[in-house]
Amino acid sequence: KAGVTQTPRYLIKTRGQQVTLSCSPISGHRSVSWYQQTPGQGLQFLFEYFSETQRNKGNFPGRFSGRQFSNSRSEMNVSTLELGDSALYLCASSLGESNQPQHFGDGTRLSIL
Amino acid sequence: DQQVKQNSPSLSVQEGRISILNCDYTNSMFDYFLWYKKYPAEGPTFLISISSIKDKNEDGRFTVFLNKSAKHLSLHIVPSQPGDSAVYFCAASRPSGYALNFGKGTSLLVTP
Repeated sequence: KAGVTQTPRYLIKTRGQQVTLSCSPISGHRSVSWYQQTPGQGLQFLFEYFSETQRNKGNFPGRFSGRQFSNSRSEMNVSTLELGDSALYLCASSLGESNQPQHFGDGTRLSIL
Repeated sequence: DQQVKQNSPSLSVQEGRISILNCDYTNSMFDYFLWYKKYPAEGPTFLISISSIKDKNEDGRFTVFLNKSAKHLSLHIVPSQPGDSAVYFCAASRPSGYALNFGKGTSLLVTP
């Protein structure tokens, strides 16, 4: 069974640009969550989508947005990039029910110059 | 505000012995707890979870213990193997909550 696939694996951008990251969940999973991992803050929840609707949102500015398509694939967009947005962005999928584990992809490493 | 804390940044254990990783949480609303293992350049891999209605869950060499009154959980790995060397993250979520709150991880080194 294929796992969670994130593309691209690495990305380099400059300040002020925008970026879109992609996530394909495990087949049959309807929930996709996004997390940011940095050395200082650790793993922090960005948002979660279920059946094309944002169901939960973390404490990130509006520059961070996402969407989910009818096939459960998800994209995350960051606009007006800042140096502090340099991080590993992880996507996780699950069945979307309570008390079900989330399964992570290998992440997109975003570097802002 | 860090609601899930892993106070030991690192742990070294000899092969064959028991590894015990600890995690504390502050939010009494958390009702589902998970452990993940992470190798460099890979995403976290789900290991084991426990619901707050239980105090123990086992899966092979891995056992998670939950002490709700102390707001503490631990992961036991027996016996430890060199391949278990990785960073271990504890995570928790609230009822009907789909956001995982993570600790900052404990780096486990299992030496031959």
